[in-house]
Parts: sequence; structure tokens; C-alpha cells
Amino acid sequence: ETGVTQTPRHLVMGMTNKKSLKCEQHLGHNAMYWYKQSAKKPLELMFVYNFKEQTENNSVPSRFSPECPNSSHLFLHLHTLQPEDSALYLCASSQESIERDRGWETQYFGPGTRLLVL
Amino acid sequence: AQSVAQPEDQVNVAEGNPLTVKCTYSVSGNPYLFWYVQYPNRGLQFLLKYITGDNLVKGSYGFEAEFNKSQTSFHLKKPSALVSDSALYFCAVRPRSGGSYIPTFGRGTSLIVHP
Repeated sequence: ETGVTQTPRHLVMGMTNKKSLKCEQHLGHNAMYWYKQSAKKPLELMFVYNFKEQTENNSVPSRFSPECPNSSHLFLHLHTLQPEDSALYLCASSQESIERDRGWETQYFGPGTRLLVL
Repeated sequence: AQSVAQPEDQVNVAEGNPLTVKCTYSVSGNPYLFWYVQYPNRGLQFLLKYITGDNLVKGSYGFEAEFNKSQTSFHLKKPSALVSDSALYFCAVRPRSGGSYIPTFGRGTSLIVHP
């Protein structure tokens, strides 16, 4: 799992705190993703950055703010979260084709940050 | 819109027996299909994918999956289960063309292999 790393691995925060999750990929990929994983629910895509441009934002509340300073790093800034935001937050990367026939690329996931909001 | 259904929250199988984890999908046109596995306290790991060609796809750790277009299914199989196969398994679909290329994941199936 050295391909995609995430820090911290565990985070406990109050609803008034501000914190950031960090993801780094060492695979030379050009696309990075944030997912939210809650028990018994499908993996929820939150944000996608492709070639450092945000290309997807799946109606995520503004208390989650992504940042992609370069193709290797991705951050998720958190502020005034709610208890229902407690979940495992997964980062992933992939090498996306620029061709029209795309979508076959494999995603590589980090180990996740287990977030608990009190 | 694309979707994935994993109808079983949990699958129990005895070690040495064959296992099947079910996945059906809905997508416009032909799909790319994926299986990922998640061990405790770990991220998802790629197992196998169907792009084109042979409907039977072989992947890591002895797993295989069969693409069935008429039944829109992509069930994961292994001839002989190991206790170490116990994990959470996710099926995912991406459309081959048109629409969003972003994958859609199922909610996962917990596989428990009993000694």
C-alpha cells in the first residue's frame, strides 16, 4: 500500500474544529478521488480531480473542501462537520486515458482515514 | 444512470468449498466491470476487471468472474475458499462510452470463510 498514502489514519474532531486529510500518490497518476465509506452503503464518490482540474463534485456539502495542488497530492479540508460525517474517507488515484474510450483504468486506493465527529 | 447491485450483505462459506459473490449492473451500452477487495483497516485492492474479449476473467488470489451480458451480471467466484479470503468485496461498473466515466460501486458483500 505504499502507492497511495493517507494521513492521518485516525481522526477525532469536534463539530467546531477545522482539520485536513492528506493523500499522496507515488504512482505517477493523473487523476485523484475522494470517497466516503459508511457501513452498509455503497462507496460514495465525493470529488474527482483529473489533470489537477476538479471534474466531479457529487453534491457534497460545503463543509468539505478539496484541494489538489499538484497531481500527486490531494487534500480534504474539513470544518464544522456533523456527527453523520463520521466515516472512512478513502483516497484513490488512477491513470486516466485522454482518449475517448476511457473508463477501463484501475483505481488504486489508500488505506483511508477513519473520522469520528463528536 | 449506472448502478450496481450486490444483493447479499454477507456470504458464508466453509473453507475448501466454492464461493460466489453476486453482482448485477445497469449501464447504458457496454460496461467495464471491476471487483475490488477490502481487508480490515485497509483500502480497496483491485482483484480483476472485464474490458473486452473472453467473458471469463481471471484475477488475483485465484479469483475469477464471469461477464454475462444477457443477465447483466458479473459474479465473482473461487473454486476453493480460504479463511484468508474473508473480507469485504466490492463490484464496480464504468460505462464504456457516453455519460460519466466515473465508476459506480455497489455497497459491498462481506465474505466470511469458516475453518
